[in-house]
Amino acid sequence: NAGVMQNPRHLVRRRGQEARLRCSPMKGHSHVYWYRQLPEEGLKFMVYLQKENIIDESGMPKERFSAEFPKEGPSILRIQQVVRGDSAAYFCASSPSRSTDTQYFGPGTRLTVL
Amino acid sequence: QQQVKQSPQSLIVQKGGISIINCAYENTAFDYFPWYQQFPGKGPALLIAIRPDVSEKKEGRFTISFNKSAKQFSLHIMDSQPGDSATYFCAASDSGNTGKLIFGQGTTLQVKP
Repeated sequence: NAGVMQNPRHLVRRRGQEARLRCSPMKGHSHVYWYRQLPEEGLKFMVYLQKENIIDESGMPKERFSAEFPKEGPSILRIQQVVRGDSAAYFCASSPSRSTDTQYFGPGTRLTVL
Repeated sequence: QQQVKQSPQSLIVQKGGISIINCAYENTAFDYFPWYQQFPGKGPALLIAIRPDVSEKKEGRFTISFNKSAKQFSLHIMDSQPGDSATYFCAASDSGNTGKLIFGQGTTLQVKP
Protein backbone atom coordinates (compact mmCIF):
# COMPACT_ATOMS: atom_id res chain seq x y z
CA ASN A 1 0.00 0.00 0.00
CA ALA A 2 1.74 3.10 -1.22
CA GLY A 3 1.98 6.01 1.16
CA VAL A 4 1.03 9.60 0.55
CA MET A 5 2.74 10.84 -2.58
CA GLN A 6 3.69 14.40 -3.34
CA ASN A 7 5.24 15.91 -6.42
CA PRO A 8 7.37 17.56 -7.28
CA ARG A 9 9.70 17.00 -4.34
CA HIS A 10 11.57 20.19 -5.12
CA LEU A 11 10.26 23.20 -7.00
CA VAL A 12 12.08 26.39 -7.90
CA ARG A 13 10.15 29.39 -9.07
CA ARG A 14 10.99 33.01 -9.75
CA ARG A 15 9.00 35.77 -8.09
CA GLY A 16 5.69 36.28 -9.86
CA GLN A 17 5.43 32.76 -11.26
CA GLU A 18 2.87 30.15 -10.28
CA ALA A 19 3.55 27.06 -8.20
CA ARG A 20 1.42 23.91 -8.35
CA LEU A 21 1.93 21.26 -5.71
CA ARG A 22 0.29 17.86 -6.03
CA CYS A 23 -0.74 15.36 -3.39
CA SER A 24 -2.05 11.85 -3.93
CA PRO A 25 -3.49 10.47 -0.70
CA MET A 26 -3.12 6.92 0.47
CA LYS A 27 -5.45 4.44 -1.19
CA GLY A 28 -8.86 4.57 0.40
CA HIS A 29 -8.27 7.97 2.00
CA SER A 30 -10.68 10.73 1.08
CA HIS A 31 -9.51 13.44 3.49
CA VAL A 32 -6.53 15.65 2.71
CA TYR A 33 -4.85 18.27 4.87
CA TRP A 34 -2.17 20.72 3.71
CA TYR A 35 0.45 22.13 6.09
CA ARG A 36 3.31 24.57 5.58
CA GLN A 37 6.64 24.41 7.36
CA LEU A 38 8.77 27.52 7.28
CA PRO A 39 12.51 27.12 7.94
CA GLU A 40 13.24 26.26 11.56
CA GLU A 41 9.54 26.32 12.46
CA GLY A 42 6.77 23.89 13.15
CA LEU A 43 4.04 22.91 10.76
CA LYS A 44 1.09 25.25 10.27
CA PHE A 45 -2.30 24.07 9.08
CA MET A 46 -3.44 25.57 5.81
CA VAL A 47 -6.50 23.77 4.45
CA TYR A 48 -8.61 20.64 4.86
CA LEU A 49 -10.41 19.09 1.90
CA GLN A 50 -12.60 16.16 1.11
CA LYS A 51 -13.35 15.04 -2.40
CA GLU A 52 -14.70 18.05 -4.30
CA ASN A 53 -15.16 20.08 -1.11
CA ILE A 54 -13.12 22.55 0.90
CA ILE A 55 -14.03 21.93 4.53
CA ASP A 56 -11.72 24.30 6.39
CA GLU A 57 -9.46 26.90 4.81
CA SER A 58 -8.89 28.97 7.93
CA GLY A 59 -5.11 28.65 7.60
CA MET A 60 -4.86 29.73 3.99
CA PRO A 61 -3.53 33.19 3.17
CA LYS A 62 -6.38 35.29 1.80
CA GLU A 63 -4.74 36.00 -1.51
CA ARG A 64 -2.77 34.01 -4.08
CA PHE A 65 -3.35 30.59 -2.47
CA SER A 66 -6.00 28.10 -3.49
CA ALA A 67 -6.57 24.38 -3.11
CA GLU A 68 -8.71 21.74 -4.69
CA PHE A 69 -9.35 18.01 -4.43
CA PRO A 70 -11.26 16.91 -7.50
CA LYS A 71 -13.33 13.77 -7.82
CA GLU A 72 -10.57 12.23 -9.90
CA GLY A 73 -6.89 12.93 -9.49
CA PRO A 74 -4.66 14.43 -6.83
CA SER A 75 -5.25 17.33 -4.53
CA ILE A 76 -3.55 20.49 -5.76
CA LEU A 77 -2.26 23.44 -3.80
CA ARG A 78 -1.80 26.41 -6.10
CA ILE A 79 0.21 29.51 -5.30
CA GLN A 80 -0.08 32.39 -7.75
CA GLN A 81 2.48 35.16 -8.14
CA VAL A 82 4.89 33.60 -5.67
CA VAL A 83 7.01 35.79 -3.40
CA ARG A 84 10.17 34.92 -1.51
CA GLY A 85 8.19 34.52 1.71
CA ASP A 86 6.41 31.54 0.13
CA SER A 87 9.65 29.55 0.25
CA ALA A 88 8.90 26.64 2.58
CA ALA A 89 8.20 22.94 2.74
CA TYR A 90 4.60 22.08 1.97
CA PHE A 91 3.27 18.82 3.33
CA CYS A 92 0.03 17.08 2.72
CA ALA A 93 -1.47 14.46 4.98
CA SER A 94 -4.33 12.08 4.38
CA SER A 95 -6.71 10.15 6.56
CA PRO A 96 -9.46 7.66 5.78
CA SER A 97 -12.07 9.67 7.62
CA ARG A 98 -12.25 12.59 9.97
CA SER A 99 -13.24 10.36 12.82
CA THR A 100 -9.99 8.50 12.37
CA ASP A 101 -7.60 11.08 13.67
CA THR A 102 -4.39 9.59 12.36
CA GLN A 103 -2.97 11.66 9.58
CA TYR A 104 -0.28 10.19 7.36
CA PHE A 105 2.13 12.67 5.89
CA GLY A 106 3.77 12.75 2.51
CA PRO A 107 7.45 13.57 1.94
CA GLY A 108 6.69 17.20 1.16
CA THR A 109 7.43 19.64 -1.63
CA ARG A 110 10.21 22.09 -0.98
CA LEU A 111 9.45 25.33 -2.73
CA THR A 112 12.22 27.83 -3.33
CA VAL A 113 11.35 31.24 -4.71
CA LEU A 114 14.24 33.10 -6.28
CA GLN B 1 -6.02 29.43 22.63
CA GLN B 2 -5.11 27.38 19.58
CA GLN B 3 -1.43 27.26 20.51
CA VAL B 4 0.57 24.27 21.59
CA LYS B 5 3.78 25.19 23.37
CA GLN B 6 6.69 22.78 23.20
CA SER B 7 9.94 22.67 25.11
CA PRO B 8 12.87 22.42 25.02
CA GLN B 9 13.76 23.71 21.58
CA SER B 10 16.80 21.43 21.48
CA LEU B 11 18.02 18.52 23.54
CA ILE B 12 21.26 16.59 23.76
CA VAL B 13 21.22 13.20 25.43
CA GLN B 14 23.81 10.49 25.83
CA LYS B 15 23.17 7.09 24.33
CA GLY B 16 21.12 5.02 26.76
CA GLY B 17 19.70 8.06 28.50
CA ILE B 18 16.11 9.27 28.75
CA SER B 19 14.88 12.05 26.47
CA ILE B 20 11.95 14.09 27.74
CA ILE B 21 9.99 16.61 25.67
CA ASN B 22 7.12 18.59 27.08
CA CYS B 23 4.04 20.22 25.58
CA ALA B 24 1.25 22.39 26.96
CA TYR B 25 -2.05 23.47 25.49
CA GLU B 26 -4.96 25.72 26.44
CA ASN B 27 -7.90 24.61 24.32
CA THR B 28 -9.90 22.15 26.44
CA ALA B 29 -11.67 20.93 23.30
CA PHE B 30 -8.49 19.17 22.17
CA ASP B 31 -8.98 15.44 22.50
CA TYR B 32 -6.23 13.86 20.41
CA PHE B 33 -2.52 14.31 21.06
CA PRO B 34 -0.04 12.73 18.63
CA TRP B 35 3.73 12.94 18.50
CA TYR B 36 5.52 13.03 15.16
CA GLN B 37 9.16 12.30 14.34
CA GLN B 38 10.79 14.07 11.43
CA PHE B 39 14.19 13.40 9.87
CA PRO B 40 15.86 16.04 7.70
CA GLY B 41 14.31 16.23 4.25
CA LYS B 42 11.49 13.87 5.17
CA GLY B 43 7.85 14.22 6.12
CA PRO B 44 6.66 13.82 9.71
CA ALA B 45 5.94 10.24 10.76
CA LEU B 46 3.48 9.38 13.49
CA LEU B 47 5.27 8.00 16.52
CA ILE B 48 2.63 7.57 19.18
CA ALA B 49 -0.66 9.23 20.14
CA ILE B 50 -2.91 9.50 23.18
CA ARG B 51 -6.42 10.54 24.07
CA PRO B 52 -7.32 12.24 27.37
CA ASP B 53 -9.14 9.22 28.78
CA VAL B 54 -5.80 7.65 29.74
CA SER B 55 -2.86 9.16 31.61
CA GLU B 56 -0.11 7.16 29.97
CA LYS B 57 0.54 5.18 26.83
CA LYS B 58 3.63 3.14 26.07
CA GLU B 59 4.86 1.73 22.79
CA GLY B 60 8.28 0.16 22.97
CA ARG B 61 10.78 2.75 24.15
CA PHE B 62 8.31 5.62 23.67
CA THR B 63 5.87 6.73 26.37
CA ILE B 64 3.38 9.58 26.44
CA SER B 65 2.39 10.95 29.82
CA PHE B 66 -0.78 13.02 29.89
CA ASN B 67 -1.97 15.38 32.63
CA LYS B 68 -5.47 16.57 31.77
CA SER B 69 -5.87 18.95 34.72
CA ALA B 70 -2.58 20.68 33.96
CA LYS B 71 -3.21 20.55 30.19
CA GLN B 72 0.22 19.12 29.63
CA PHE B 73 1.63 16.05 27.94
CA SER B 74 5.12 14.76 27.43
CA LEU B 75 7.11 12.28 25.39
CA HIS B 76 9.68 10.06 27.09
CA ILE B 77 12.20 8.16 25.00
CA MET B 78 13.83 5.47 27.07
CA ASP B 79 17.27 4.07 26.24
CA SER B 80 17.80 6.80 23.64
CA GLN B 81 19.78 5.73 20.57
CA PRO B 82 21.74 7.74 17.97
CA GLY B 83 19.09 6.69 15.43
CA ASP B 84 16.52 8.62 17.48
CA SER B 85 18.28 11.87 16.55
CA ALA B 86 15.54 13.82 14.77
CA THR B 87 13.06 16.62 15.27
CA TYR B 88 10.03 15.77 17.35
CA PHE B 89 6.72 17.59 17.16
CA CYS B 90 3.80 17.36 19.52
CA ALA B 91 0.38 18.21 18.17
CA ALA B 92 -3.22 18.46 19.26
CA SER B 93 -6.57 18.38 17.53
CA ASP B 94 -10.25 18.67 18.24
CA SER B 95 -11.75 15.64 16.52
CA GLY B 96 -15.20 17.15 16.93
CA ASN B 97 -14.12 19.98 14.69
CA THR B 98 -12.17 19.45 11.47
CA GLY B 99 -9.41 17.36 13.00
CA LYS B 100 -6.71 19.77 11.86
CA LEU B 101 -3.51 19.36 13.81
CA ILE B 102 -2.05 22.22 15.82
CA PHE B 103 1.68 21.61 16.10
CA GLY B 104 4.22 22.63 18.69
CA GLN B 105 7.38 24.39 17.58
CA GLY B 106 9.47 21.23 17.53
CA THR B 107 12.39 19.82 19.52
CA THR B 108 15.64 18.86 17.86
CA LEU B 109 17.05 15.82 19.63
CA GLN B 110 20.64 14.77 19.34
CA VAL B 111 21.68 11.47 20.92
CA LYS B 112 25.42 11.22 21.36
CA PRO B 113 27.08 7.81 21.01
